Amino acid sequence: EDQVTQSPEALRLQEGESSSLNCSYTVSGLRGLFWYRQDPGKGPEFLFTLYSAGEEKEKERLKATLTKKESFLHITAPKPEDSATYLCAVQALSGGYQKVTFGTGTKLQVIP
Amino acid sequence: DAGVIQSPRHEVTEMGQEVTLRCKPISGHNSLFWYRQTMMRGLELLIYFNNNVPIDDSGMPEDRFSAKMPNASFSTLKIQPSEPRDSAVYFCASRPTGTSGYEQYFGPGTRLTVT
Repeated sequence: EDQVTQSPEALRLQEGESSSLNCSYTVSGLRGLFWYRQDPGKGPEFLFTLYSAGEEKEKERLKATLTKKESFLHITAPKPEDSATYLCAVQALSGGYQKVTFGTGTKLQVIP
Repeated sequence: DAGVIQSPRHEVTEMGQEVTLRCKPISGHNSLFWYRQTMMRGLELLIYFNNNVPIDDSGMPEDRFSAKMPNASFSTLKIQPSEPRDSAVYFCASRPTGTSGYEQYFGPGTRLTVT
């Protein structure tokens, strides 16, 4: 069974304090790994897609990286507006279908 | 662009009643996804459509759940009869034509409470 584990569950940072969120996965036949941001009371917002180990994507203060077993979302000099829950999801081939499995998220709070 | 539109935003119903959730995808998107999100299980894919055709409904929890997409601009998710364990936030998402994977645009969700 495909598994996606995100850590930590919650993270509290001071503004400007860089850190990383982790997404580890156990899947057969990875097709893609996706990062989303979710604000309270809203739907997830797509951030990045990573397809192969060694790939990196950047957007403003965020950088996502991928290895064969995990992905990291690095947040450089975060601001309070970066506070949100960050979800990762993996897409894998299972039973002839492209299955997606989401992690339970890391809730990030950035304090001014 | 108005984004993905879902209605109602909140629904409170009694156990045993029929519930219908509605979704209007972004114009020009040819894939539509229905998800359920709970604190215990996180975000789960229920079903997705390509070009109005259901492709994978293996995530639909029971026969009480059904989904339709009669045209490119409208989809429904129906629960009949509803049960308290169906209480969750239900999201609809759409994906642009010509893209693959899960680069999706989510709606604001429908918060369902079954008492």
